[in-house]
Amino acid sequence: EPEVTQTPSHQVTQMGQEVILRCVPISNHLYFYWYRQILGQKVEFLVSFYNNEISEKSEIFDDQFSVERPDGSNFTLKIRSTKLEDSAMYFCASRITTGTANYGYTFGSGTRLTVV
Amino acid sequence: AQKITQTQPGMFVQEKEAVTLDCTYDTSDQSYGLFWYKQPSSGEMIFLIYQGSYDEQNATEGRYSLNFQKARKSANLVISASQLGDSAMYFCASLGGGNKLTFGTGTQLKVEL
Repeated sequence: EPEVTQTPSHQVTQMGQEVILRCVPISNHLYFYWYRQILGQKVEFLVSFYNNEISEKSEIFDDQFSVERPDGSNFTLKIRSTKLEDSAMYFCASRITTGTANYGYTFGSGTRLTVV
Repeated sequence: AQKITQTQPGMFVQEKEAVTLDCTYDTSDQSYGLFWYKQPSSGEMIFLIYQGSYDEQNATEGRYSLNFQKARKSANLVISASQLGDSAMYFCASLGGGNKLTFGTGTQLKVEL
């Protein structure tokens, strides 16, 4: 079964450093997403990306965050200057537009980011 | 805007019993979808079941079924014949006219012998 692949699975970084979280969405999917889950809390939407541009972003997704699809397969989330409160699990997700009942909405296994 | 409410922070069930996890939603969208995800301690989000707002029949996937009551805006997950491996966090989520999933706060399910 096709899957969304995220790397790395764990990342530890020093406060103020830049991090790049990587995702390979399912190949025929057209919408890409990043979500965040702070430990013990609910999953929160960060940003959606379609047709090579951001289609929607939340208030969490401020200027320190950026997303990019640098080639035909990767989808990245960059955090420019990490803060302690950026420590969380980051999930990438992708979906097709129509054709299946649940839109094929699929999550990756997540990257656990720890800022120290 | 979408809102999901899960009022059960924790639930216990005996192995082989059925359990219902509650979810109510609030939306102004005419067309929407409701999802349930399982999150084991390892952290990944596992898709369980989906219900579209225009689906007339309740969704079922193996031991999972979704008790969809549109007028009451509820979408409860029923797990039949619970297994020890069902112990996990369960999230209800909605997808409306926008692009994103809105999640509830989750229910921690513990299956006991």
